Amino acid sequence: TQLLEQSPQFLSIQEGENLTVYCNSSSVFSSLQWYRQEPGEGPVLLVTVVTGGEVKKLKRLTFQFGDARKDSSLHITAAQPGDTGLYLCAGGRNTDKLIFGTGTRLQVFP
Amino acid sequence: GAGVSQTPSNKVTEKGKYVELRCDPISGHTALYWYRQSLGQGPEFLIYFQGTGAADDSGLPNDRFFAVRPEGSVSTLKIQRTERGDSAVYLCASSPRQGSYNEQFFGPGTRLTVL
Repeated sequence: TQLLEQSPQFLSIQEGENLTVYCNSSSVFSSLQWYRQEPGEGPVLLVTVVTGGEVKKLKRLTFQFGDARKDSSLHITAAQPGDTGLYLCAGGRNTDKLIFGTGTRLQVFP
Repeated sequence: GAGVSQTPSNKVTEKGKYVELRCDPISGHTALYWYRQSLGQGPEFLIYFQGTGAADDSGLPNDRFFAVRPEGSVSTLKIQRTERGDSAVYLCASSPRQGSYNEQFFGPGTRLTVL
């Protein structure tokens, strides 16, 4: 049973378009992380959010943690081919293990 | 500095065989994690070490899976009597301190194929 559902599962867009990826759960998390993974490599951390309603920006990427700390979103403005990859959300719950989402595979065409 | 390394990068074995997968964490990182990632899925937690001891092994699927970290650095994931369903990428991660809000640094993974 996957506690964190991501949508969409696949996303294929043209360079310059905007997109949003969602990460939803019925459970509360104490922290939420977003990772990006490229083929043949391990995930790389993009951001950590810990406060309900928190918004963090990383260049063209905007991350938001839901008020109830059950959901999160990742918005990319003016996507570039270098943004291509598997985006993973991961929740923490006052323990040390991370619960990963189902993943969103993004392909940005030039 | 060196990141997390995993060996071998690929392992092909036959059903019923025993395999060992090795993880070298970043020097000085006390927390070490093992995850399993099936094709098209997110990583699934297996076990977590704080120092030499397994602090949480609730993700190990059954007693064919075992992991050790005898000196608090290198860790080995051991799988006995492998089954085709064990085929996946096994990821290792380390962190400088415990706590799920801390960044985990992942290795490139070992792709295990059980024929």
